[in-house]
Amino acid sequence: EAGVTQSPTHLIKTRGQQATLRCSPISGHTSVYWYQQALGLGLQFLLWYDEGEERNRGNFPPRFSGRQFPNYSSELNVNALELEDSALYLCASSVGRPGYGYTFGSGTRLTVV
Amino acid sequence: AQSVTQLGSHVSVSEGALVLLRCNYSSSVPPYLFWYVQYPNQGLQLLLKYTSAATLVKGINGFEAEFKKSETSFHLTKPSAHMSDAAEYFCAVSDRGSSNTGKLIFGQGTTLQVKP
Repeated sequence: EAGVTQSPTHLIKTRGQQATLRCSPISGHTSVYWYQQALGLGLQFLLWYDEGEERNRGNFPPRFSGRQFPNYSSELNVNALELEDSALYLCASSVGRPGYGYTFGSGTRLTVV
Repeated sequence: AQSVTQLGSHVSVSEGALVLLRCNYSSSVPPYLFWYVQYPNQGLQLLLKYTSAATLVKGINGFEAEFKKSETSFHLTKPSAHMSDAAEYFCAVSDRGSSNTGKLIFGQGTTLQVKP
């Protein structure tokens, strides 16, 4: 069984640009979650998508947005990039209730210069 | 509100020694508890989870954890450390509220160093 796949692995952008990160969940998983792991800040919940709908978002500005496609894959878009957006962005997926835990992907390392 | 506290941001053990990583949680209802491991430049891998079955949970790579409700703890142990265990370990908790929020609440992580 293929795991959660994220692309690209690394992404370098200039301040003010837009970044698009992609995630494919495990087959059969309908929920996708996005977390930001910035140096020294731990894991911060960004977004939860389920069945194509945004179910919840964390305490991030609106320039962080995303969507979930009919095949349950997901995109995270970050507009007007700032230096502090540099982080590892982790995608996870689950089947059923999110409380039973997730399976994470390997992440996308976003560097803003 | 839920919270997770991992005691010790860095733990150092010798190869072959006991590994003990501490996790305490606060939750107003019986929680689900998880330990994840993160190797450098990688994502998080689930080591084990407690979902209200047996209180002693066995996971991958020889790790296990015991749920102690009276102590609100879920400490992670391994009898004999291996060099390949060097990584960052995260404890996480969810409860019924997570079904509405989608969030797992993570601790700040503990970096395990294994000395030869």
